[in-house]
Amino acid sequence: KAGVTQTPRYLIKTRGQQVTLSCSPISGHRSVSWYQQTPGQGLQFLFEYFSETQRNKGNFPGRFSGRQFSNSRSEMNVSTLELGDSALYLCASSWGGQNSGNTIYFGEGSWLTVV
Amino acid sequence: GENVEQHPSTLSVQEGDSAVIKCTYSDSASNYFPWYKQELGKRPQLIIDIRSNVGEKKDQRIAVTLNKTAKHFSLHITETQPEDSAVYFCAAPWMDSSYKLIFGSGTRLLVRP
Repeated sequence: KAGVTQTPRYLIKTRGQQVTLSCSPISGHRSVSWYQQTPGQGLQFLFEYFSETQRNKGNFPGRFSGRQFSNSRSEMNVSTLELGDSALYLCASSWGGQNSGNTIYFGEGSWLTVV
Repeated sequence: GENVEQHPSTLSVQEGDSAVIKCTYSDSASNYFPWYKQELGKRPQLIIDIRSNVGEKKDQRIAVTLNKTAKHFSLHITETQPEDSAVYFCAAPWMDSSYKLIFGSGTRLLVRP
């Protein structure tokens, strides 16, 4: 069974540009969540999607947005990039059922550098 | 909302010794506590998790204990090996939304051969 797949793995963008990152969850998983990882702030929750609907949201500005498609694949977008957006962006997938405690599995991440 | 504190931030042990990492959480409704291991340049990988209806769970050299009254849980690694060297993160769900995990700040474990 294939794991969580994220593309691109590495990218460099200029301040002010926008970026779109893609995530394909494990087959059968319907929940996709996104995390930002930086040395200073650690792992921070961005948002979570289930059945094409945003179910949970973290404390990030509106420049950060996402969506989920009918096949559960998800994209996140960051507009008007700032230097501080440089980070590892991790996608995680899970079955998504209402029972608490369903395990989330991380992808390898997309390394974004803003210059 | 949930707040998770993790200690220590760094831990150095001799190969064969035990390592213990502790986390405290603030939301008494939290009922699921996973631990992730992240090697340099790689993704976090789940190594063990515990639900609130049990106090301890073991998997070979790894164990997790949970004290719901005190709102803390700990990761125990016995007979440490150099390949255990990594950053370990604890997590707890935010307001019982199990798909929004709040992570601790991480513990960098170094196992000296």
